[in-house]
Amino acid sequence: EVQLVESGGGLVKPGWSLRLSCAASGFTFSAYGMNWVRQAPGKGLEWVSSISSTSTYIYYADSVKGRFTISRDTAKNSVYLQMNSLRAEDSAVYYCARDARLVAFDHWGQGTLVTVSS
Amino acid sequence: EIVLTQSPGTLSLSPGERATLSCRASESISSSYLAWYQQKPGQAPRLLIYGASSRATGIPDRFSGSGSGTDFTLTISRLEPEDFAVYYCQLYGSSPRYTFGQGTKLEIK
Repeated sequence: EVQLVESGGGLVKPGWSLRLSCAASGFTFSAYGMNWVRQAPGKGLEWVSSISSTSTYIYYADSVKGRFTISRDTAKNSVYLQMNSLRAEDSAVYYCARDARLVAFDHWGQGTLVTVSS
Repeated sequence: EIVLTQSPGTLSLSPGERATLSCRASESISSSYLAWYQQKPGQAPRLLIYGASSRATGIPDRFSGSGSGTDFTLTISRLEPEDFAVYYCQLYGSSPRYTFGQGTKLEIK
């Protein structure tokens, strides 16, 4: 069974940093790209970042470019999101999602809540 | 940047009725890269449709997707109580920016 489990969320102040993790199991992690998608309270889904299976291709939404860094560790079957210079508008539930290429984002984690507030 | 616009914002229907949700792209896109997701309160999104018309694993056949170019549709043939949720369309695959529509809330009338 495919499982994605996010962790690392919490309450931080503006300008602080946070690192999110997503632990994957139940599939060949090295064969799939991975994504981070966020959802602000009461709002819709916003794609944040993606990383290809070999880390060759990395992309970011304009709203986080230069502040967030995505990475992955195949040995640990994990994908990470390093978030720096956090702003109030970064407050959201952050989901990791498996990129099944032509089959879109076929599996999602349960999400981890990030709150940025003074 | 391609923008996906969903309509209506809210759709009020009764169980047993047919639901038709629309997703319009600001420019023509490949139907190979249009997906639909369902999200219930407090839950992660669930993939329903990929490639505009292919049902994901385990999705009931009352859900169907269609469309091409700039206009795409998600149809739920006979609404079940568990179908009332928010639905999102998404452009993925060919673009490095995986845009979501703003969502349609399907509520019980």
